[in-house]
Amino acid sequence: SAVISQKPSRDICQRGTSLTIQCQVDSQVTMMFWYRQQPGQSLTLIATANQGSEATYESGFVIDKFPISRPNLTFSTLTVSNMSPEDSSIYLCSVDGTSLPVQETQYFGPGTRLLVL
Amino acid sequence: GQQLNQSPQSMFIQEGEDVSMNCTSSSIFNTWLWYKQDPGEGPVLLIALYKAGELTSNGRLTAQFGITRKDSFLNISASIPSDVGIYFCAGQGRSGTYKYIFGTGTRLKVLA
Repeated sequence: SAVISQKPSRDICQRGTSLTIQCQVDSQVTMMFWYRQQPGQSLTLIATANQGSEATYESGFVIDKFPISRPNLTFSTLTVSNMSPEDSSIYLCSVDGTSLPVQETQYFGPGTRLLVL
Repeated sequence: GQQLNQSPQSMFIQEGEDVSMNCTSSSIFNTWLWYKQDPGEGPVLLIALYKAGELTSNGRLTAQFGITRKDSFLNISASIPSDVGIYFCAGQGRSGTYKYIFGTGTRLKVLA
C-alpha cells in the first residue's frame, strides 16, 4: 500500500480566508481523490485530481470553492476558498491502490482537521 | 450525496464478544471495501471484496460480499478494546471509475 502524508494536520482559520492542503504519496499513483468528512459524518467525495488536466468535481462541489492542483503523479493540493464555519471538516486525500493485476482499492491519508471561526 | 446504509449505527459490546455489522444498498456494487477509522486518523483499509459471495478474512475480521451484490457484512470475533472506532463500508458501482460511495458508519465501543 502507498504511504500518504497530508499537511497541515490541522488548522484554525478565520472566515473569508483560504487554506491550501497538501497531499504527498511515496509512490506514483494514477488516481488521487479528495474527500470531506463533516463532524460525525461519513466521507463525501469532493473531486478526482487528474494529473495534467483539470480535476473532476462531484455534484455540489465547484472549482471556485475547492480548486485542486495535480502537478505530478505523487502530489496534489486542495484549496478551501473563502471559508465559512460550514467548511469546518476533516479533509482527506486518498489514492487508488491499483497495480498490476488490477485490484481496486483506496488508501487514505491521515486527514487535515479544519476549524473555521 | 448517495450513501450506503450501515447498521447498527452504534454498539456497545463486552470484550471478548463477537460483533456483526452490515451495509446495504438499493444499487448493485462490483467492489466492497471495509475501513476502520480511529479518532483523529484517516480510514484504514481492513478488507476488500471483489466477487459476489466472496468471504475474506483478515485476522479476527471476516467480511462477505452479498450474493445479491447489494450488501456486505463484517464480523469481528473475540473483540478487544483496540477494536473501538468507526467502521465504514464503501461500494464501487462501476469498475474502473475508482469512485466509492461510503456508508454511514458503525461506531463500535468495547467495554473491558
